[in-house]
Amino acid sequence: QSALTQPRSVSGSPGQSVTISCTGTSSDVGGYNYVSWYQQHPGKAPKLMIYDVSKRPSGVPDRFSGSKSGNTASLTISGLQAEDEADYYCCSYAGSWVFGGGTKLTVL
Amino acid sequence: QVTLRESGPALVKPTQTLTLTCTFSGFSLSTSGMCVSWIRQPPGKALEWLALIDWDDDKYYSTSLKTRLTISKDTSKNQVVLTMTNMDPVDTATYYCARTSCPFGAFDIWGQGTMVTVSS
Repeated sequence: QSALTQPRSVSGSPGQSVTISCTGTSSDVGGYNYVSWYQQHPGKAPKLMIYDVSKRPSGVPDRFSGSKSGNTASLTISGLQAEDEADYYCCSYAGSWVFGGGTKLTVL
Repeated sequence: QVTLRESGPALVKPTQTLTLTCTFSGFSLSTSGMCVSWIRQPPGKALEWLALIDWDDDKYYSTSLKTRLTISKDTSKNQVVLTMTNMDPVDTATYYCARTSCPFGAFDIWGQGTMVTVSS
C-alpha cells in the first residue's frame, strides 16, 4: 500500500485556523470511516487527536476537528496556539493500516 | 491508567534478529476488542504500521514485512513480543507499541518508543 498524501508543511498565526489534508484512494480513506490523526512533538511519541474521521478522544480540545470527503480526509485546528506546533500524521484502515507522510505545522 | 513500555536492544548487527517486548498495564489483552500494535518511525521519517495482535490471538502483519515479522503475546505477563528477522540498516528506527481498539480502530495509547540502530 502507498502512503497517504499530506502536505509537507502548513503554517498559521496564533488564533487562526489551519487545515491539513490527507489524500488516499477508495481502498483506504474513501473506503472506510476509520481515519485517525496523530500529533507528534519532537522527541515524543505520537498522540491520538481524532479517530473514526471526526471523533475526539477525551481530553483533546474541541479546537481540533476532523472530516472526510471522498478520498480526502482533513484535520482542522482552529484558534491556533503555540503548543499546536508539531508534526501531524493521518492514518487510515485499509485492510491493514497506512499512514500519511506527515505534515509539519508551524505557528508563526 | 493505561501505560505501555517498549524494551529491547539499542543496537543490532545486520542479519541479526531483533526481539522487542511491550509491557503494558491498565488493560487486559484478554478483553474482547483489545489489541496491541507495533509501529516504527525511521529518524526524520513517517510512521509505519508493522503488526497487530488481538485478544483472540489473531495476528496481522504489514504486507511488505510479513515474511520477517512475528508477533506474540503473554497475557499473564501483560506483554507483547515482536521479532523481526534479517535486520538491515534501513530498519533503524524508533519502535513503538500502541494499544489499539479493534477491529479497525485507532492507536489510542502509545509507549515512549525504543530506538533501534542496525549497524555492524
